[in-house]
Amino acid sequence: QVQLVESGGGVVQPGGSLRLSCEASGFTFSTYAMHWGRLAPGKGLEWVAVIWSDGGTKYYADSVKGRFTISRDNAKNILYLQMNSLRAEDTAVYYCVRSVQYGFDHWGQGNLVTVSS
Amino acid sequence: IQLTQSPSSLSASVGDRVTITCRASQGIRNFLAWYQQKPGKAPDLLIYAASTLQSGVPSRFSGSGSGTDFTLTISGLQPEDFATYYCQHLDSMPITFGQGTRLEIK
Repeated sequence: QVQLVESGGGVVQPGGSLRLSCEASGFTFSTYAMHWGRLAPGKGLEWVAVIWSDGGTKYYADSVKGRFTISRDNAKNILYLQMNSLRAEDTAVYYCVRSVQYGFDHWGQGNLVTVSS
Repeated sequence: IQLTQSPSSLSASVGDRVTITCRASQGIRNFLAWYQQKPGKAPDLLIYAASTLQSGVPSRFSGSGSGTDFTLTISGLQPEDFATYYCQHLDSMPITFGQGTRLEIK
């Protein structure tokens, strides 16, 4: 069965950096576009970034553009999110998500990132 | 593309029929999905392509619409349906979600 297991979250000071990882199993990782999404406390879902199956195309939400970088290692079946210049408003549960053309069909369990001094 | 859901919150009883609407700021054809999220859990895909039920989702859930106006209907609310619902467009980048509709027990 499809499994997406995130790791790397925690507490970081404003201006700091963190890298999230997502280990994928149960499907052919290299053939799917992958996303990161997040849910901030008291807010709604927000799409963060996408990377195409071959890693050649990436898009970002305006709120993270220039600060976050999405990448993937298809040999290891791992998705990454490098987060730099973190702000308090980046505090959220971050989800690794598999997408198909019509929607986000599998989500990880979520990983909490807290930006606080 | 902005998605506006209404209402933002809704109180209903078990057995009721409820409808949530999602309006896009420009046409998105039928590239719209609906998700259900319960506290502490990841979202679940309910409906895709505006009206197609995801495998395993109960038939009391249905979706309709095209272009800019979409609806999610739950016919015969069950206790496990009380959750937050989001619409999402996949027509172009950036992908966006609606602000969510919290469905509460009356």
